[in-house]
Amino acid sequence: EAGVTQFPSHSVIEKGQTVTLRCDPISGHDNLYWYRRVMGKEIKFLLHFVKESKQDESGMPNNRFLAERTGGTYSTLKVQPAELEDSGVYFCASSQAQGGEQYFGPGTRLTVT
Amino acid sequence: ELKVEQNPLFLSMQEGKNYTIYCNYSTTSDRLYWYRQDPGKSLESLFVLLSNGAVKQEGRLMASLDTKARLSTLHITAAVHDLSATYFCAVDRAGNNRKLIWGLGTSLAVNP
Repeated sequence: EAGVTQFPSHSVIEKGQTVTLRCDPISGHDNLYWYRRVMGKEIKFLLHFVKESKQDESGMPNNRFLAERTGGTYSTLKVQPAELEDSGVYFCASSQAQGGEQYFGPGTRLTVT
Repeated sequence: ELKVEQNPLFLSMQEGKNYTIYCNYSTTSDRLYWYRQDPGKSLESLFVLLSNGAVKQEGRLMASLDTKARLSTLHITAAVHDLSATYFCAVDRAGNNRKLIWGLGTSLAVNP
């Protein structure tokens, strides 16, 4: 069974540009989570989808971040326009049931210069 | 607010030695997790601890939970180089939508 995949693995963009991160959860997992780790800080929750619906988006930093999960399969996280403080590693995780074990992807390392 | 503190943040140890990583959390939580991350790789779940006094062991790693002290430990026995990685603890709570609240991680280097 394929695990959680994320694309790209690395992205380097300039301040003010737009970047879209993609996460493909494990097939059949209705729950999809985004987390972010900024250098030197703890991993922080961004948001949680159940199928295509946003269950909890309390961790989204501001309105420059837009997450979607059309059709309840893969998810995208768009940052527009990117700022320097958005640099970090963005992790995606999925679980079959809400509250079930979360399986993580390898992360996307975003660098904003 | 639920917060998680890990210590130490950096640990350099010799092969064959024992050591313990500590994880404290600030308020009642439902479950405590230990994850391992190798550079550039996914976060791999090691243990999930559910109740007071829970102890789980896998190879040279043993995790325990004391819910009264709000403390979990990850004990490493006779360390080997393959254990070099970053170890994270995290907690969740049903009333907090089960989102994971993380510690900063402990970067472990096991030297020959």
